[in-house]
Amino acid sequence: GDSVTQMEGPVTLSEEAFLTINCTYTATGYPSLFWYVQYPGEGLQLLLKATKADDKGSNKGFEATYRKETTSFHLEKGSVQVSDSAVYFCATGGGNKLTFGTGTQLKVEL
Amino acid sequence: GAGVSQSPSNKVTEKGKDVELRCDPISGHTALYWYRQSLGQGLEFLIYFQGNSAPDKSGLPSDRFSAERTGGSVSTLTIQRTQQEDSAVYLCASSSERGKIGELFFGEGSRLTVL
Repeated sequence: GDSVTQMEGPVTLSEEAFLTINCTYTATGYPSLFWYVQYPGEGLQLLLKATKADDKGSNKGFEATYRKETTSFHLEKGSVQVSDSAVYFCATGGGNKLTFGTGTQLKVEL
Repeated sequence: GAGVSQSPSNKVTEKGKDVELRCDPISGHTALYWYRQSLGQGLEFLIYFQGNSAPDKSGLPSDRFSAERTGGSVSTLTIQRTQQEDSAVYLCASSSERGKIGELFFGEGSRLTVL
């Protein structure tokens, strides 16, 4: 079945630092790829997605590029803020359900 | 409200008791999902409903778990004879899209603690 591997956290950064959270996947066919974010005390919400190879998803300064050759969908942001502190989940969508990674907690400090 | 609503938000029960968790999806969303979030385990797919089609139950961990969706809207997840390993946050999500999966809208979850 499908699987997602993402880097373990917590990741602690200073404000304005560059962020990378690695994500690789295994899936059959041509799945869509997603990043979801869970802010403290809130439900998961979609951050960005990409539906085919070489697509770049972007939102709120975050970006991720669908790399089929490396089966990766790494999340990046050039300058993080304290308000970005949350848990980030990478997911692959094949068929009718999403398969999630274990989540990466990000803490951004002043 | 406009979002996915789940109840109860917290449930503490004794081992061996049955529990019911409720999900009220976004109005008009035909697809409904249940996931389980355990510490350090990510989100585990449990069951998927799409319209009037037979549900995909492939993620249910044992026959103690069951779910139904009445009238294509509200869903109830039932866990019979609860065990301590059932302790987790149970998440419900809904989606308006058919076929290839799109954006899921999640509720805030029901935290279950089995003593």
